[in-house]
Amino acid sequence: GQQLNQSPQSMFIQEGEDVSMNCTSSSIFNTWLWYKQDPGEGPVLLIALYKAGELTSNGRLTAQFGITRKDSFLNISASIPSDVGIYFCAGRGTQGGSEKLVFGKGTKLTVNP
Amino acid sequence: KAGVTQTPRYLIKTRGQQVTLSCSPISGHRSVSWYQQTPGQGLQFLFEYFSETQRNKGNFPGRFSGRQFSNSRSEMNVSTLELGDSALYLCASSRDTQNTEAFFGQGTRLTVV
Repeated sequence: GQQLNQSPQSMFIQEGEDVSMNCTSSSIFNTWLWYKQDPGEGPVLLIALYKAGELTSNGRLTAQFGITRKDSFLNISASIPSDVGIYFCAGRGTQGGSEKLVFGKGTKLTVNP
Repeated sequence: KAGVTQTPRYLIKTRGQQVTLSCSPISGHRSVSWYQQTPGQGLQFLFEYFSETQRNKGNFPGRFSGRQFSNSRSEMNVSTLELGDSALYLCASSRDTQNTEAFFGQGTRLTVV
């Protein structure tokens, strides 16, 4: 079935540094979504990507839909302490004739002040 | 516009009992998906409902079931609870099942003792 490989699993950075994380798959996706989850809360949608090659920004966050439709990356610039959390990628694609949303296992981000 | 509402937020049950969790999607959204989140397994897809019909199902035992009502509200039920069912159960709503963003509720933290 469809699987997403998200890397890195965890990151420890200093405040002010830039961060980059990515997701890859052997399957093609029609939509890529990036979420952030704080402890004990549900994931919050950060960015949605709909077309291959699309580059979208949301404040200090930038994400791109890979041209092959099999990968996506998320960059965070000038990190701040509140960026701490787990970031998930999700790809929506067709498997077995039905649309499914598949999640990566997450990147845990720690920002040291 | 109200977000996705899940009730209850926290629940403690005993092994062998059954439990029902509720999810009210964003107004106008007709697709509701359920996920189980545990530290080791990440977000695992349970099932998706659209217009009162189950559209997709993940690889969970028959003890896990769900339904959707005509107002798009959804419930999931777990019977004969096991210790391993302890997890954060998340509900996500989408406008429909085709290439749209999924918005999550805060989740229900279920603890089985």
